[in-house]
This record gives sequence, structure tokens and C-alpha cells, in this order.
Amino acid sequence: DGGITQSPKYLFRKEGQNVTLSCEQNLNHDAMYWYRQDPGQGLRLIYYSQIVNDFQKGDIAEGYSVSREKKESFPLTVTSAQKNPTAFYLCASSADRAYNEQFFGPGTRLTVL
Amino acid sequence: QKEVEQDPGPLSVPEGAIVSLNCTYSNSAFQYFMWYRQYSRKGPELLMYTYSSGNKEDGRFTAQVDKSSKYISLFIRDSQPSDSATYLCAMSGWTGGTSYGKLTFGQGTILTVHP
Repeated sequence: DGGITQSPKYLFRKEGQNVTLSCEQNLNHDAMYWYRQDPGQGLRLIYYSQIVNDFQKGDIAEGYSVSREKKESFPLTVTSAQKNPTAFYLCASSADRAYNEQFFGPGTRLTVL
Repeated sequence: QKEVEQDPGPLSVPEGAIVSLNCTYSNSAFQYFMWYRQYSRKGPELLMYTYSSGNKEDGRFTAQVDKSSKYISLFIRDSQPSDSATYLCAMSGWTGGTSYGKLTFGQGTILTVHP
């Protein structure tokens, strides 16, 4: 089955810790994205990558970091610098570099204790 | 003012009703318009994708784009309880610079279809 997988489904973090969220796709898509979803605020773009070894900041990149060493993988690290990390994190991918028709993974819910 | 405005609802309708979901936007560069359905605690699922103005129909769903009014709609006919979800509009277009037409989402409308 082709698709996007995210792990873990739920993640708990103590304040001051860095955590890494996994995103893998087997759709052979070039572009991948990370979004954050908070109640009543829709989806906000954190980082995106159009090609391997290249990525750009989105609207709310502060406190986050990413890497794109392989086409299939785009992990997101939530650092201790992110002041309000509790949220639902969504990874997406699209076939082309024009941001159209993005397909989403099932999400990771991060809670800071 | 947000680039994309969507009434968050919640919207509650009886089974079989026609549902109308709407978004307005301010950026005239938007050319690609999408509707996503998101069930609780799940990732969004792409429902409809349209380019520029006009209508597109897929089963019980019709997407409508009016670029002159900067207004898009999603109609659901013969709504079912399984349609209960949050519906997100999204749009993109060439906006110049490094943004390269990134996807901009509405806040989402919560829909409940009761039997």
C-alpha cells in the first residue's frame, strides 16, 4: 500500500527535552511538509522540502528543525526552544514542487508534561 | 485579516440535507483550490481539487469556485452521518519570492450529520 506513515501516534515530552517525529512516504513524492494543527487555527506550515538535502522554513519554524537525507523520509525535531509544543503534528507530501494536491499522514499528537 | 476565512461552525444538519460549506479569500494569486475532510484525531483526506473558476462534481460532492468574488464552496448532497467531520478549504498559487505557492488553509468547519 502506498501512503504516508507517521510515528509515534502519541508522544509525551517533558519540558526541556527535544523529541523527533518520524514521517515516511512510499509515494515517490518529491515534496514533503510539516504542519502544526491547533484547535480553531487550521493548519500552519512549519517546514517544507522540495527535494532531498534541501528544505525551507514555513510560517512557524522557530523551535523546530528538520532534515531531508532521503526522498522517503522527513523527520521533524521539536526542540526545547519551542515554547508551546503541545499540538497535533501532520506530515504531508505532494508529487510536484508546486504545493498542490498534498496528501497527509495520520498525525502525531505531542503533549508536553 | 486572514488570507483565507472559513466559518468554523459547528454546523449540525439532519441526514439527507444539502450542506453548503464556504471559504472566502483575499489573495487574487490563488489558482488551485482544495477541500479536505478530517475525521477526529486523523489526518486530512483530500476530497476535491479544482483549478481556477468553475464547478467540479464527484458523487455527492460538488466544488464551486468563483474567482471574481474570491469565494469557494463545497456542497454535499444527501448528507450521511459518515460525513460528520471537519472540512478544511485550502488554496495555493504563485505568490512570488520563496513562498512558491504554498498551501494556505482555512480554519475548518465542524459538520455533524445526525440520523
